[in-house]
Amino acid sequence: DQQVKQNSPSLSVQEGRISILNCDYTNSMFDYFLWYKKYPAEGPTFLISISSIKDKNEDGRFTVFLNKSAKHLSLHIVPSQPGDSAVYFCAASLMAGGSYIPTFGRGTSLIVHP
Amino acid sequence: DVKVTQSSRYLVKRTGEKVFLECVQDMDHENMFWYRQDPGLGLRLIYFSYDVKMKEKGDIPEGYSVSREKKERFSLILESASTNQTSMYLCASSFDRWPNSPLHFGNGTRLTVT
Repeated sequence: DQQVKQNSPSLSVQEGRISILNCDYTNSMFDYFLWYKKYPAEGPTFLISISSIKDKNEDGRFTVFLNKSAKHLSLHIVPSQPGDSAVYFCAASLMAGGSYIPTFGRGTSLIVHP
Repeated sequence: DVKVTQSSRYLVKRTGEKVFLECVQDMDHENMFWYRQDPGLGLRLIYFSYDVKMKEKGDIPEGYSVSREKKERFSLILESASTNQTSMYLCASSFDRWPNSPLHFGNGTRLTVT
């Protein structure tokens, strides 16, 4: 059973517009959330994160919003650029075996058209 | 810059063979992980290790084992490869046990079992 869900397999956006990628989770014990970006033939790279005690974190064009009551987070990219075209994975961290282990969603493929 | 190196980009093996996937990180990270990525299924955790000679099962450990004899090296072993183990395998490492410590991924090994 999926604990981290990305219900949109793909998203297409025009260059310069906002991209909004969504993520839902079921386990209220998750206490940290991260977004990763993956280009073809490369490993995922860390993009931005947010603690469960916050509701917003911003880094340049990227902002992550967390709604704990709805168990929902979203990644906003403004303005979107063609180089942002990639697969985006949402991840949530939980303590296991003495370490925080991230559980990943299935990913959303973002295509930004010039 | 953190470097996680996976020894092979592409591997083709026969059913029943014993397969070794090697991963080395150069930043003295405590935690190391093995994931597999399949279309529509995202990243699924196979095994992780938070110290030398320590290992913990992830979500899908069946058919796999791991070895961590040195801090920088984490090996994934397929004892008897099967066609359903055809996948992209991703190794990752992270600095410490804090929830906001991002994973650093290698570029992946695409394994085909025939």
